[in-house]
Amino acid sequence: EAGVTQFPSHSVIEKGQTVTLRCDPISGHDNLYWYRRVMGKEIKFLLHFVKESKQDESGMPNNRFLAERTGGTYSTLKVQPAELEDSGVYFCASSQDRGGQAEQFFGPGTRLTVL
Amino acid sequence: AQSVTQPDIHITVSEGASLELRCNYSYGATPYLFWYVQSPGQGLQLLLKYFSGDTLVQGIKGFEAEFKRSQSSFNLRKPSVHWSDAAEYFCAVGAGSNTGKLIFGQGTTLQVKP
Repeated sequence: EAGVTQFPSHSVIEKGQTVTLRCDPISGHDNLYWYRRVMGKEIKFLLHFVKESKQDESGMPNNRFLAERTGGTYSTLKVQPAELEDSGVYFCASSQDRGGQAEQFFGPGTRLTVL
Repeated sequence: AQSVTQPDIHITVSEGASLELRCNYSYGATPYLFWYVQSPGQGLQLLLKYFSGDTLVQGIKGFEAEFKRSQSSFNLRKPSVHWSDAAEYFCAVGAGSNTGKLIFGQGTTLQVKP
């Protein structure tokens, strides 16, 4: 069974440009999460989808970030326009169950560098 | 607010030596606790978890962790470290029963000396 996949693995863009990150969860997992790790800091929650609906988007930093999950399968996270502080590693995770006890399966991350 | 602290950013141990990685949490109720490991180029992999019951939990790869409510700790241990254990380790707490949001510590990087 394929794990969580993320594309691209690396992205280098200039400040002010737009970048779109993609996450493909494990097949059948209704729950999809985005996290971000800024260099030297902890991994921080961004948002949680249940199917195509946003269950919790309390961690989204500002309105330059837009997450979608049309059709409840893969998800995209768009940053527009990108700023220097957006650099970091963006992780996607998925789980079959909802709630605090659910085991989340993580992808390898997308390393975003904004110059 | 919930929080997780991993006091040690970097630890070096010799192969075959024992290991303990510290994790302290702040949470109002009985927490859902997790340890994840990330090897280079890989995603985070769940080592073990604690929700309730026996406070000593066994995980994969020979790891175990002990939940101590009085100390708000959930330390990860392994009796004999292998070179392949070199990785970054993350302690996390679930933010609540109705949400899948995880709150992570800063991570501990483990280096294993031959």
